[in-house]
Amino acid sequence: KQEVTQIPAALSVPEGENLVLNCSFTDSAIYNLQWFRQDPGKGLTSLLLIQSSQREQTSGRLNASLDKSSGRSTLYIAASQPGDSATYLCAVRGNTDKLIFGTGTRLQVFP
Amino acid sequence: GAVVSQHPSRVICKSGTSVKIECRSLDFQATTMFWYRQFPKQSLMLMATSNEGSKATYEQGVEKDKFLINHASLTLSTLTVTSAHPEDSSFYICSARSGSGVNQPQHFGDGTRLSIL
Repeated sequence: KQEVTQIPAALSVPEGENLVLNCSFTDSAIYNLQWFRQDPGKGLTSLLLIQSSQREQTSGRLNASLDKSSGRSTLYIAASQPGDSATYLCAVRGNTDKLIFGTGTRLQVFP
Repeated sequence: GAVVSQHPSRVICKSGTSVKIECRSLDFQATTMFWYRQFPKQSLMLMATSNEGSKATYEQGVEKDKFLINHASLTLSTLTVTSAHPEDSSFYICSARSGSGVNQPQHFGDGTRLSIL
């Protein structure tokens, strides 16, 4: 059974810092991994999707890497801003065609 | 980008009421839609998967007679919580995927906060 873990569970940083969020999964047989952002009381916004054959994806200040063999992904946020404050979720899709979510990292960026 | 509209955003109703939640894909055809439930400070738990024109596939432990899902068109899926009780209070989120490929991204609605008194 696939299990997805995210560390840290919560993170508070000053504006401007570069930061890394971690995601690990137990079964490396995945089709892809997706990073999402969730604001309080809202749905999910897709940030990046990495296919199993890819190593990384970039969008603006965000960079996500994938090491499928070791079951790990990282989300790198450069020059963090208060508007980046949210919960970040990673999710993997395996051969069941279901997205299995981690428990998230709650990020707070203070001015 | 792809937009998924979910309505209503919040429902407060008495125990025993049936509640319908709509999920629409606004600018793409959603061959597959997913319904999730999220408890406070927890992650999303998949309830069911539905393909247009087919019966929904429910996850283990989810009562199909309690949570009725209809996916009658490529742009609309509905979740009806029948005879809702306080333990059904939760945050429900729908998601839609265009195309049939597993590498197509899922797009999410803004969720529905259901509170049963």
